[in-house]
Amino acid sequence: AQKVTQAQTEISVVEKEDVTLDCVYETRDTTYYLFWYKQPPSGELVFLIRRNSFDEQNEISGRYSWNFQKSTSSFNFTITASQVVDSAVYFCALRGSSARQLTFGSGTQLTVLP
Amino acid sequence: NAGVTQTPKFQVLKTGQSMTLQCAQDMNHEYMSWYRQDPGMGLRLIHYSVGAGITDQGEVPNGYNVSRSTTEDFPLRLLSAAPSQTSVYFCASSPVGRPDGEQFFGPGTRLTVL
Repeated sequence: AQKVTQAQTEISVVEKEDVTLDCVYETRDTTYYLFWYKQPPSGELVFLIRRNSFDEQNEISGRYSWNFQKSTSSFNFTITASQVVDSAVYFCALRGSSARQLTFGSGTQLTVLP
Repeated sequence: NAGVTQTPKFQVLKTGQSMTLQCAQDMNHEYMSWYRQDPGMGLRLIHYSVGAGITDQGEVPNGYNVSRSTTEDFPLRLLSAAPSQTSVYFCASSPVGRPDGEQFFGPGTRLTVL
């Protein structure tokens, strides 16, 4: 069975603050794939990043960075110098090599105040 | 290239009515799936298909039927709508054999059952 936990239901920050969204996962597969999606107020789901279980390199893309730690089964997402446009619901998702579907966390609602 | 399209965008039904949510993709993806999104619960898989003529149940299949007669289309049928089926429904597609591949999501259908 697969499970993804996003313990932070809602986070509110002031513009330009850094914010980290937590994601903890469970899987029995040794090979698995982790994803982050963004859902802005308009409602569509926007793919942000994927990470394979055998690649523990952290990744940075502009103001976004991801910290993957197999030892703690975590795949956290940090937004540096947050902006109002970052306000959205962010979902972490997992797909094990033996599974055919993505398992999503419950999402974190991020609100960035001006 | 339209990606994944869903119709309708909004729908209001009365309890007991039936309807079909349409989903189509033009990327020749074998894998297609339906999710429902409810507040605080993330996205949950309803049904999925790995190719024409092949469908299987996800986490919350009760009350929904699917069929896959072509690669492009994957309709979701509600035979007798219930208020518990009020939700936002997302269709997604991806290539089979790419577990690390992102799923491409449609824009969603917001369904209200009165």
